[in-house]
Amino acid sequence: QSALTQPPSASGSPGQSVTISCTGTSSDVGGHNYVSWYQQHPGKAPKLMISEVSKRPSGVPDRFSGSKSGNTASLTVSGLQAEDEADYYCISYAGSHTVVFGGGTKLTVL
Amino acid sequence: QVQLVESGGGVVQPGGSLRLSCAASGFPFSSYGMHWVRQAPGKGLEWVAFAWYDGTNQYYRDSVKGRFTVSRDNSKNTLSLQMNSLRPEDTAVYYCAKEYTGYGAFDIWGQGTMVTVSS
Repeated sequence: QSALTQPPSASGSPGQSVTISCTGTSSDVGGHNYVSWYQQHPGKAPKLMISEVSKRPSGVPDRFSGSKSGNTASLTVSGLQAEDEADYYCISYAGSHTVVFGGGTKLTVL
Repeated sequence: QVQLVESGGGVVQPGGSLRLSCAASGFPFSSYGMHWVRQAPGKGLEWVAFAWYDGTNQYYRDSVKGRFTVSRDNSKNTLSLQMNSLRPEDTAVYYCAKEYTGYGAFDIWGQGTMVTVSS
């Protein structure tokens, strides 16, 4: 149950695109299509942004997109807006009905 | 409305016990798996435990196995987490979360309840 690897920080200017990576192993990210992404603002509960690698729940702007290649999943935020500044976490199925989170990435909108 | 409300947090000494509860409303509770996720102060999210929709199976992260027990009462729309032999490293905000689809996708979260393990 080792945490997935995310960059501690990422940044971009309003209107730009930024991509956050989430690297695991063939036992988690690479072995299943159960990767989700969460957005968390300070003092708030996390919000589901992407499920099953690339599916957007209702209400999530289409500026948010997900993908996966091998053992690495990615979240791309296009057309950055000030309200996108938050912490982002990936999570993946890790077998035996368990899941594992990434360490989190702090996204700064410059 | 659809919501989860946690309760039961507090301050406890190392080695002590605490029982958290999560009251669900606004959705068919007995149809969904439910999870506990925690977040230590200033740290990232950490998955803790999972109870199947009917409560027949439970799963835990390695560090809490044998100490924590997740259970649910579908007649009362309530999820619980019994925490024994608490350690300082268990200090965190504990969230309950509802499964959405597949593993790891939680669409409804509670507001969290703080557990502090300290002498």
